[in-house]
Amino acid sequence: AQSVTQLDSHVSVSEGTPVLLRCNYSSSYSPSLFWYVQHPNKGLQLLLKYTSAATLVKGINGFEAEFKKSETSFHLTKPSAHMSDAAEYFCVVTIWGNQFYFGTGTSLTVIP
Amino acid sequence: NAGVTQTPKFQVLKTGQSMTLQCAQDMNHEYMSWYRQDPGMGLRLIHYSVGAGITDQGEVPNGYNVSRSTTEDFPLRLLSAAPSQTSVYFCASSYGSQARSGNTIYFGEGSWLTVV
Repeated sequence: AQSVTQLDSHVSVSEGTPVLLRCNYSSSYSPSLFWYVQHPNKGLQLLLKYTSAATLVKGINGFEAEFKKSETSFHLTKPSAHMSDAAEYFCVVTIWGNQFYFGTGTSLTVIP
Repeated sequence: NAGVTQTPKFQVLKTGQSMTLQCAQDMNHEYMSWYRQDPGMGLRLIHYSVGAGITDQGEVPNGYNVSRSTTEDFPLRLLSAAPSQTSVYFCASSYGSQARSGNTIYFGEGSWLTVV
């Protein structure tokens, strides 16, 4: 079985400071991992994905994530937060591509 | 590009009523799915389909039916609505079922359903 745990339900950062959103996964096989962002009352947009290629994955809007098998982690980072980054972020895992498992989400607040 | 289109966006139902949430995609995607989103629980898979004529249950299928008669459409039916089905529903699609190829899931804008 596979699952993801997002370690923080809420993260607050000041504008211009780094962002770290933590995700640990559990999987019996090599997983594919994704980060999605959801702005209020909107659908989900893909930020980035890991599919067994490079372990450091770069996504849109300056976000990146590093797959660490030894730590079963896939943390999302951004060097400098922008006000427009305030949103809900979801870590997602799949093995065979027919069932995707979502974390419970991390709400990011950016303080001006 | 229309992408994934869900209707209706908002709906209020009385307990016991039935209704269908519509989902259509114009990207010729094989894989379609329905999720519900509840506070503090992320998105949970209700049903999914890997192609026309093929459907399967996800994590929380009870109280919902689906069918896939065409590649484009994947409606979700609530048979007898209950207050526990008050949620936000998302339809999603992707090119294929092989995530190892890096297929991205595309989501609709969501349908807000309230059952009173």
